[in-house]
Amino acid sequence: RKEVEQDPGPFNVPEGATVAFNCTYSNSASQSFFWYRQDCRKEPKLLMSVYSSGNEDGRFTAQLNRASQYISLLIRDSKLSDSATYLCAALGAGSYQLTFGKGTKLSVIP
Amino acid sequence: EPEVTQTPSHQVTQMGQEVILRCVPISNHLYFYWYRQILGQKVEFLVSFYNNEISEKSEIFDDQFSVERPDGSNFTLKIRSTKLEDSAMYFCASAIAGFSDEQFFGPGTRLTVL
Repeated sequence: RKEVEQDPGPFNVPEGATVAFNCTYSNSASQSFFWYRQDCRKEPKLLMSVYSSGNEDGRFTAQLNRASQYISLLIRDSKLSDSATYLCAALGAGSYQLTFGKGTKLSVIP
Repeated sequence: EPEVTQTPSHQVTQMGQEVILRCVPISNHLYFYWYRQILGQKVEFLVSFYNNEISEKSEIFDDQFSVERPDGSNFTLKIRSTKLEDSAMYFCASAIAGFSDEQFFGPGTRLTVL
């Protein structure tokens, strides 16, 4: 069974803090990984793809550790607008199916 | 910026009725998907569609479900005889390529089955 697991949180952090989320995946054949952001009762919005070499987009950094089968998301200098649920997702080799975690809820507090 | 659009935003139906959910994928995308999210649960894959045929489907996508691309722009999900447990948010997504490519989601249709 292909699973993606995340700590549901909530993570309550003050503005300006750095926060990190981890996500583990069980299907070692998974090839591609993504972080999505989901606001309450809205659609998942793609935040970033995750590459083996790691990638950075402004305040956001994503890392992939294939040996340990986890991906991470680091958010620096948290803003109030970062408050949302962060979903990690994996795409299996030869599959079109994104498998999502249940998400980690982040609340950034003034 | 191009977006996936979906209609209606909210659909209320009686159990046993047929519903059709509509999506317009991003115009140069070739791969189309339906996902659903029951309140408080994970986003779950239903089906993927490419070149006018289903390329992959999940166990959820049983004989009650069907998909169609009736013209060059619309992509539809039909549920033939709705059940109470079909109540969920249904998201359409599209991607330029298939394997390993980023999928972009529409705003969803909230389906309520009474």
